[in-house]
Amino acid sequence: ETVMTQSPATLSVSPGERATLSCRASQRVNSNLAWYQQKPGQAPRLLIYDASTRATGIPARFSGSGSGTEFTLTISSLQSEDFAVYYCQQYNNWPPYTFGQGTKLEIK
Amino acid sequence: QVQLVESGGGVVQPGRSLRLSCAASGFTFSNYAMHWVRQAPGKGLEWVAVISHDGTDKYYADSVWGRFTISSDNSKNTLYLHMNSLRAEDTAVYYCARDKTRTGDGIRDSWGQGTLVTVSS
Repeated sequence: ETVMTQSPATLSVSPGERATLSCRASQRVNSNLAWYQQKPGQAPRLLIYDASTRATGIPARFSGSGSGTEFTLTISSLQSEDFAVYYCQQYNNWPPYTFGQGTKLEIK
Repeated sequence: QVQLVESGGGVVQPGRSLRLSCAASGFTFSNYAMHWVRQAPGKGLEWVAVISHDGTDKYYADSVWGRFTISSDNSKNTLYLHMNSLRAEDTAVYYCARDKTRTGDGIRDSWGQGTLVTVSS
């Protein structure tokens, strides 16, 4: 099973600043990586797939990068609605599809 | 637009069974693989099962293998999860999610709002 490890567990950032979230895979997943955003009481929402492709309707301030085992989600200028939990998930070595444990992005 | 609506959750005793449903609309259901993903209270996301667009291929997480069965009825645009021998650790919100592909090797691009299953005596 491919283990996904996200860091940090919690990230405190001020609105308008840049946020950088990391995700590491225990084995290569090529570019088969997605990022999801989840707000309290809501379902996850797809942000990024294939490591760097924004999903439909996702603002340009969200960007993804990386391949192999190291990945990054960057939010260039945080808006109030961006404070949420973010999960990475690999779909290269399946089953199972595996998620990271999540990074909580909170207001500083 | 794509809509996925789960139902069937509730409180159930350990060892009992439950069937979840996910009604799909706004897209051609038979063209997509579908997943179940769960989230225990206060925890992260855990993939549970996937079924290919035509129902021929099914895969499960080890944690539910042999106890849960995923199925679909393309004539009813509905996805199911049959859960047997339920355990306390199966307590979670269960989400259905659409895959971008027919075979399930893509990503989940649409999600339902989830249904809560509580396993407790």
